[in-house]
Amino acid sequence: GAGVSQTPSNKVTEKGKYVELRCDPISGHTALYWYRQSLGQGPEFLIYFQGTGAADDSGLPNDRFFAVRPEGSVSTLKIQRTERGDSAVYLCASSLTGTAYNEQFFGPGTRLTVL
Amino acid sequence: AQSVTQLGSHVSVSEGALVLLRCNYSSSVPPYLFWYVQYPNQGLQLLLKYTSAATLVKGINGFEAEFKKSETSFHLTKPSAHMSDAAEYFCAVSVGGNKLVFGAGTILRVKS
Repeated sequence: GAGVSQTPSNKVTEKGKYVELRCDPISGHTALYWYRQSLGQGPEFLIYFQGTGAADDSGLPNDRFFAVRPEGSVSTLKIQRTERGDSAVYLCASSLTGTAYNEQFFGPGTRLTVL
Repeated sequence: AQSVTQLGSHVSVSEGALVLLRCNYSSSVPPYLFWYVQYPNQGLQLLLKYTSAATLVKGINGFEAEFKKSETSFHLTKPSAHMSDAAEYFCAVSVGGNKLVFGAGTILRVKS
C-alpha cells in the first residue's frame, strides 16, 4: 500500500517568507509526527498528533512554527517569517495507534532551504 | 531525559566483514529501542525494535541487535556486510511517550 508522502520534496524560499509543508500519512494511522533533520544530525522531534489534536508540541522551536491536522489525516506544518536557520529536512511519520512501541513509518521528507 | 549516543559518525568495513554499529542509551525506565536505516534520498526505514520481549532482536536484511541493560547498550550487528548495506543508521529511544529521540547517526561505508 501507499506509504507516507510529503510535498513538496524541495522548497526554496527567501528569509522572511511563509511556507507550508504537507504530509499525507498512511491511511488509518491515527498518530502523526513531525521531525526536523539538520545536516549531520539525527531527526529531532517537533510535534505529535493523535487524531486531530496536538498531543505533544514540546519540540516546536518557537511560535513561528505551527502545525495542524484538521480532519485527522493530512497535516500541514507552517513556518512564518522563515530564517536561514530553519533550513533542514522536515520529516513526517505516522503510526497505527501512537503507542510508544509502535513502528513509525517515515516519509521521504521535504528539504527546506531558506536563502 | 532520555538520550542516545552513537559512537562513530563513520564506520568503514570490507564486503563480507562483520558490521558493528554502537548505540548507548540513557533512560530512567525500561526503554523501547529502535534502529532505523536511511538510504540516500529515501525516508527512514525500520530495521528492528526492542520492546522487552527478548534481548536479542532480529531484524530485516540480516541485522540483529542485543539489548544489554547492564551496559545500557543496543549495538547493531550483521555477520557479513554487503555493498547494499551502505547507508546511514540511526538508533532511537522511545520512553513513556510517543516521540522518538534519535542519535546523531552512523554512516556505514562498505568497501569492495
